Amino acid sequence: DTAVSQTPKYLVTQMGNDKSIKCEQNLGHDTMYWYKQDSKKFLKIMFSYNNKELIINETVPNRFSPKSPDKAHLNLHINSLELGDSAVYFCASSQDGRAVGTGELFFGEGSRLTVL
Amino acid sequence: DQQVKQNSPSLSVQEGRISILNCDYTNSMFDYFLWYKKYPAEGPTFLISISSIKDKNEDGRFTVFLNKSAKHLSLHIVPSQPGDSAVYFCAARTNAGKSTFGDGTTLTVKP
Repeated sequence: DTAVSQTPKYLVTQMGNDKSIKCEQNLGHDTMYWYKQDSKKFLKIMFSYNNKELIINETVPNRFSPKSPDKAHLNLHINSLELGDSAVYFCASSQDGRAVGTGELFFGEGSRLTVL
Repeated sequence: DQQVKQNSPSLSVQEGRISILNCDYTNSMFDYFLWYKKYPAEGPTFLISISSIKDKNEDGRFTVFLNKSAKHLSLHIVPSQPGDSAVYFCAARTNAGKSTFGDGTTLTVKP
């Protein structure tokens, strides 16, 4: 059973389109994240939700909108896709993002987005 | 401003020898440091961590050392095995739950 699953795994689309990536975790964690890994392999946090509440919102264009219908799901919707949005997007979860402790992240396999 | 840096993009070692991966950070507010391992086409997986109040944590073949005064940590793998070949990310976490990652070091362990 996959702990953190995201779909689709691969996504190829044209500039200007709108697309969504879905993420689900079955670990019972309270906190979920979206990370972006660009061509330089740098993993950068985009958003974090704790029990459906947005707690981290990095400097990300408004075209990116996360949605958390419940604490087990965190979806990422991207409007008006640009070439620079091409990257691998990783969903992750942790037991409690604000608790004292290691707070290690459990990652999904990633969704490779290619914008043509 | 890159708060967590891994200055060696790659490292190659012989099987059975020690692998040492290094990481430097700038933010004194980090309270936990973590290492993640990533295989191609997979997400990173947690490997080992260390609290900012400790200077060493050991788990089997993996040991992490923290030098707070130098803002430096290192991951030692001994003995290295071919299955350890992967990308290793150093990450630093604040008590607000935000983890900042380095840009990774690709370790190759040769048989």
